Amino acid sequence: KNEVEQSPQNLTAQEGEFITINCSYSVGISALHWLQQHPGGGIVSLFMLSSGKKKHGRLIATINIQEKHSSLHITASHPRDSAVYICAVQIQGAQKLVFGQGTRLTINP
Amino acid sequence: DGGITQSPKYLFRKEGQNVTLSCEQNLNHDAMYWYRQDPGQGLRLIYYSQIVNDFQKGDIAEGYSVSREKKESFPLTVTSAQKNPTAFYLCASSQGSNYGYTFGSGTRLTVV
Repeated sequence: KNEVEQSPQNLTAQEGEFITINCSYSVGISALHWLQQHPGGGIVSLFMLSSGKKKHGRLIATINIQEKHSSLHITASHPRDSAVYICAVQIQGAQKLVFGQGTRLTINP
Repeated sequence: DGGITQSPKYLFRKEGQNVTLSCEQNLNHDAMYWYRQDPGQGLRLIYYSQIVNDFQKGDIAEGYSVSREKKESFPLTVTSAQKNPTAFYLCASSQGSNYGYTFGSGTRLTVV
């Protein structure tokens, strides 16, 4: 079993829909990252969380440390949100990230 | 603007040849990382360096080598010993474990 599991693996929605991507992990962490990867391959860091909730524009990320679970929400989704969203955890005491497999999101106009 | 530059974006090599992928950052970050991405899999750590002239193996270091002679630069050499080198390679940097990461745009290596 992977240390970081994302669901769903693929998600297709219509423009304007509310999107939720989930991430569960099985190890002790010091922080959790949400990343966005566009078709060209480059990765952009969206959020770094160690507790609670963060919001940036239409994106909201939450984390529940006790349940070892995080969600990424996108409100009023738009076709430009189409990308692969990756959850990564920073292992406690280790200088490395462990990545989920990613969720491929497609927003249709 | 500060960032990470990976070059080239696409690279083709013949089997049996060594190839070096470039990663340069002007963020003054101490730590730098190399990851490999294969279809359907999460990124996997190849090597990382927390300080100049020091680096550690990651989870899949076999067939790869690195150097960290300057803070700004962390080149990755894919040697002929790497059995399946065709992949997408990403470089990243960080100021430390309590900080976020900055990623490069990646190099897609194809070995024919």
